[in-house]
Amino acid sequence: AQSVTQLGSHVSVSEGALVLLRCNYSSSVPPYLFWYVQYPNQGLQLLLKYTSAATLVKGINGFEAEFKKSETSFHLTKPSAHMSDAAEYFCAVMDSSASKIIFGSGTRLSIRP
Amino acid sequence: DGGITQSPKYLFRKEGQNVTLSCEQNLNHDAMYWYRQDPGQGLRLIYYSQIVNDFQKGDIAEGYSVSREKKESFPLTVTSAQKNPTAFYLCASNKDSGNTIYFGEGSWLTVV
Repeated sequence: AQSVTQLGSHVSVSEGALVLLRCNYSSSVPPYLFWYVQYPNQGLQLLLKYTSAATLVKGINGFEAEFKKSETSFHLTKPSAHMSDAAEYFCAVMDSSASKIIFGSGTRLSIRP
Repeated sequence: DGGITQSPKYLFRKEGQNVTLSCEQNLNHDAMYWYRQDPGQGLRLIYYSQIVNDFQKGDIAEGYSVSREKKESFPLTVTSAQKNPTAFYLCASNKDSGNTIYFGEGSWLTVV
C-alpha cells in the first residue's frame, strides 16, 4: 500500500534562508506525488505535482520539488524563505488504484524575522 | 467562479445530535472526497465517491454517512455514533483518477 512520511512535524527557518521540507513515499508503481499548503482555517492549495514528466517540478510561490526514485523522496525546497511562507505543508501520493490521495502528517513551517 | 463550497463554516452541535455538512462543486468533477483534520494532524479520509450513486468507505468511516445523488453534491452526516466528532472537515474533488484534487475551505464542527 502507498504511504507518505514527512520528516519533522515543525521546521523553523530565518527569513531569506533555504527552506527544505522532507517527504519520503512508498509505492509499488510509479507514483503521482503532490505538495499542498494550508494556511490557518483554510482548505489546502496545490503547490506542485509530479506525474513522471520531469524529475524537477516547479510550483507556485517559488517552491520546487525533486523526485528521486532511488531515494523514494520528493523533498520540497525554496531558495529564500518569506514571512508569507509560514503555513502547514502536506506531501501526498495517489494510491495504486488511483482512486484516492493519501496524505502525510504535515510539516508546520515557521519563519523567523 | 468555479470551485468547491462548503457550508456552514462553523457549526456547533449538542451531543447526541446528527449534523450534516454541505459540499457543492461546480467544477464538473466526477470524484468527491471527505477528509477529517484534527489539530496538528494530517488528513484522514472518511468517504469518497467516484461516480453518482456510488461511494466507498475511507479509513475512518465509522459514525459518518454520505450520499451522492447528484454529481455536484456530496453531503456528509456526522451521526451521534461518532465518538469524537469535534474537528475540521474538508471536502475535495477531482475530475477523475490521477488528477489533482481540489479542496473547499473547510467546516469546523464543535460538539458542546
